[in-house]
Amino acid sequence: DAMVIQNPRYQVTQFGKPVTLSCSQTLNHNVMYWYQQKSSQAPKLLFHYYDKDFNNEADTPDNFQSRRPNTSFCFLDIRSPGLGDAAMYLCATSRASGANDYEQYFGPGTRLTVT
Amino acid sequence: AQKITQTQPGMFVQEKEAVTLDCTYDTSDPSYGLFWYKQPSSGEMIFLIYQGSYDQQNATEGRYSLNFQKARKSANLVISASQLGDSAMYFCAMREDKHAGNMLTFGGGTRLMVKP
Repeated sequence: DAMVIQNPRYQVTQFGKPVTLSCSQTLNHNVMYWYQQKSSQAPKLLFHYYDKDFNNEADTPDNFQSRRPNTSFCFLDIRSPGLGDAAMYLCATSRASGANDYEQYFGPGTRLTVT
Repeated sequence: AQKITQTQPGMFVQEKEAVTLDCTYDTSDPSYGLFWYKQPSSGEMIFLIYQGSYDQQNATEGRYSLNFQKARKSANLVISASQLGDSAMYFCAMREDKHAGNMLTFGGGTRLMVKP
């Protein structure tokens, strides 16, 4: 089945130790998104790739970076995780706006713990 | 100003009864879309239903229907015949077509608890 896959599902990292979360998709969607979701809050968009074009949200900290080496894969790099970065990180994909297939498809998320 | 407002942080419903989850939105874009997602405790966001701003009829998907009142800028989700598996967080979201990239703005969510 076509889907959005996130690895790992659970990640524990130490304060200040760089960590990378990965997302892959078999839907061949040209837009990929990374969201941060803290407990009992709405998902907050960090950035998205429209094809190869990177779009950063204005309030996304510099500590968060992303790479999209090809259509299928997208990575979230946290250069120096702080305790406040502990959250669920959700990857999503969609076709570009204007297409009939309009919803965002979400992966299962990676729950990040910072010790 | 909040673009998507969900005024019910938590709700209880008796199994087999219907429940309405409220959502109001704010946009000046004439072309937009409204979505509802379900998020169980496992964390995955599950798409439920979509309403386009130009759609004349209310969207329905099985037990889910969207009560779209454009003049009031509301897009309430109605779940009929609630089941225990419906217990989850529910998020209303909006896409404004003036922004490329199909980006969504989410409301704060409503936690629904279905009682046996």
